Amino acid sequence: DAKTTQPPSMDCAEGRAANLPCNHSTISGNEYVYWYRQIHSQGPQYIIHGLKNNETNEMASLIITEDRKSSTLILPHATLRDTAVYYCIVRGNNAGNMLTFGGGTRLMVKP
Amino acid sequence: NAGVMQNPRHLVRRRGQEARLRCSPMKGHSHVYWYRQLPEEGLKFMVYLQKENIIDESGMPKERFSAEFPKEGPSILRIQQVVRGDSAAYFCASSPGLAGGTYEQYFGPGTRLTVT
Repeated sequence: DAKTTQPPSMDCAEGRAANLPCNHSTISGNEYVYWYRQIHSQGPQYIIHGLKNNETNEMASLIITEDRKSSTLILPHATLRDTAVYYCIVRGNNAGNMLTFGGGTRLMVKP
Repeated sequence: NAGVMQNPRHLVRRRGQEARLRCSPMKGHSHVYWYRQLPEEGLKFMVYLQKENIIDESGMPKERFSAEFPKEGPSILRIQQVVRGDSAAYFCASSPGLAGGTYEQYFGPGTRLTVT
């Protein structure tokens, strides 16, 4: 699986959009971009994933650049409960592909 | 639809005892994964199982650790003769076995093992 690069930490004001970047310049054509988050010491929570088109669900939006070398996770209206470590993971589309967690971005949402 | 269930949530064992961690996947999911998170570290893959089969155990320590996912019942991660270095959070994840799907993994709340 390709490696990803994320900033170690970010702050965001409550109610504002949180934009979390991720670089994955060595991604291959059949690999997806997945986002998970871990709130305190809970189990990781699946957020969203995509291949090349932008995706949106009830939690977030995922914007993938045309060359697929980077992406941005957008939380449109961050709340205090969104404070967590966010992981960007590139993974092949196969049940046998495990998730490789890097350091992630520690997002702190402040009042 | 209940999520991934793990029990116990907290487990304390003395050095040399055995630890058994259980994971019930989400309904309809036939793939189970185990991950370990050591204190102040990221999650690391341990093993991937389907019913009655170990598919990938490349992340499992060579000794004392074993995993199974029987035809009936939960998946079990077993640690024999625990040592202090086994103290960690152990997370189980499951994914559906749908052809053409993207196999996103859903995690349980974890079992926190403390070895005294």
